[in-house]
Amino acid sequence: NAGVTQTPKFQVLKTGQSMTLQCAQDMNHEYMSWYRQDPGMGLRLIHYSVGAGITDQGEVPNGYNVSRSTTEDFPLRLLSAAPSQTSVYFCASGRLNEKLFFGSGTQLSVL
Amino acid sequence: AQSVTQPDIHITVSEGASLELRCNYSYGATPYLFWYVQSPGQGLQLLLKYFSGDTLVQGIKGFEAEFKRSQSSFNLRKPSVHWSDAAEYFCAVGARAAGNKLTFGGGTRVLVKP
Repeated sequence: NAGVTQTPKFQVLKTGQSMTLQCAQDMNHEYMSWYRQDPGMGLRLIHYSVGAGITDQGEVPNGYNVSRSTTEDFPLRLLSAAPSQTSVYFCASGRLNEKLFFGSGTQLSVL
Repeated sequence: AQSVTQPDIHITVSEGASLELRCNYSYGATPYLFWYVQSPGQGLQLLLKYFSGDTLVQGIKGFEAEFKRSQSSFNLRKPSVHWSDAAEYFCAVGARAAGNKLTFGGGTRVLVKP
């Protein structure tokens, strides 16, 4: 049972480039979400989904897109990377109203 | 809007000593409350959670936390710290009507001295 799998673990981008962070879970969880972690600010919610075909914005959605075509996958897209998006990104999933399971994170640097 | 404050950015504690990490939250109704731990280079692992009932909750690794509604606090404690407890700890609050959406505090980094 793999849990929540994120790829890649590390990524360096140039300003203006686009990329997709992948997240997959094999626990049949309805809820999936993306957080970014910045020093001293804890984790902030970017986007979340309560089921296939349903997504919504979190606290810091600007510059990011998501989609949820299957229960298992919840990719995060950076459309035009900016230095302010340098961060560690975490995907999390869970059954509705229960605890979250986190992936191991993606460290992204935008130069 | 809900918010979480962890007043201590860093705490240094000797191995075998007790540990208490503070967490204050702001929320209009009774919240869901969580403590997560993050080891270096890892994701977050749930230590314990409070949904309702007994205000003293037990978690994994010998941790416990007490919900005090009057103080809007959910402090985490451990009677005797082990070197493996060195990590960053996050308090989080969730709204009952918002399902799994969590608001996290800024975290407290715990250093353990031998």
